[in-house]
Amino acid sequence: GQQVMQIPQYQHVQEGEDFTTYCNSSTTLSNIQWYKQRPGGHPVFLIQLVKSGEVKKQKRLTFQFGEAKKNSSLHITATQTTDVGTYFCAGNSGAGSYQLTFGKGTKLSVIP
Amino acid sequence: DSGVTQTPKHLITATGQRVTLRCSPRSGDLSVYWYQQSLDQGLQFLIQYYNGEERAKGNILERFSAQQFPDLHSELNLSSLELGDSALYFCASSVALAPHYEQYFGPGTRLTVT
Repeated sequence: GQQVMQIPQYQHVQEGEDFTTYCNSSTTLSNIQWYKQRPGGHPVFLIQLVKSGEVKKQKRLTFQFGEAKKNSSLHITATQTTDVGTYFCAGNSGAGSYQLTFGKGTKLSVIP
Repeated sequence: DSGVTQTPKHLITATGQRVTLRCSPRSGDLSVYWYQQSLDQGLQFLIQYYNGEERAKGNILERFSAQQFPDLHSELNLSSLELGDSALYFCASSVALAPHYEQYFGPGTRLTVT
């Protein structure tokens, strides 16, 4: 079945440093979504990417979808303590599949 | 607040028992998803219902079952509980069936099996 791998599993950064998490799928994806889960909270939708090579920005967050639609990345510029949490990517392979396969997430800690 | 409600918030029970987790989706959402989140396993998709019908099944154990009622709320039944079933169980909802709609997650039910 479809597998979505996310790296790194953990990342500790100093406040103000940049952060990137990578997501790789074993199959071509029809779309990929990113979610953020704050400590003790529930996942919250951030963004969806659909097109090959798509790049979307939300303030300090930049999301990319690979040309082959098998990988994606989330880059945060100048991290802040409010960025703390676990970032999940979730992909769908299309072909009649209704489910999203979530990666295991990258847990970001920001040292003030 | 996502608009998705889950009850109970916490549940402590013994091995071998059966529990029911309840989820009410956002108003207007027809799809309900159930996920299990363990410390080292991320979010595992269990099952999806759309407008009362099961539409997708993930790694759901035979001891687990779910249903979606005419009022669109959903229940996840876990039976013959084992220690390894201790986890956070999330319900999520989306407006439609297709997977390119964002999912709104509830606050979760933390299940502890002792």
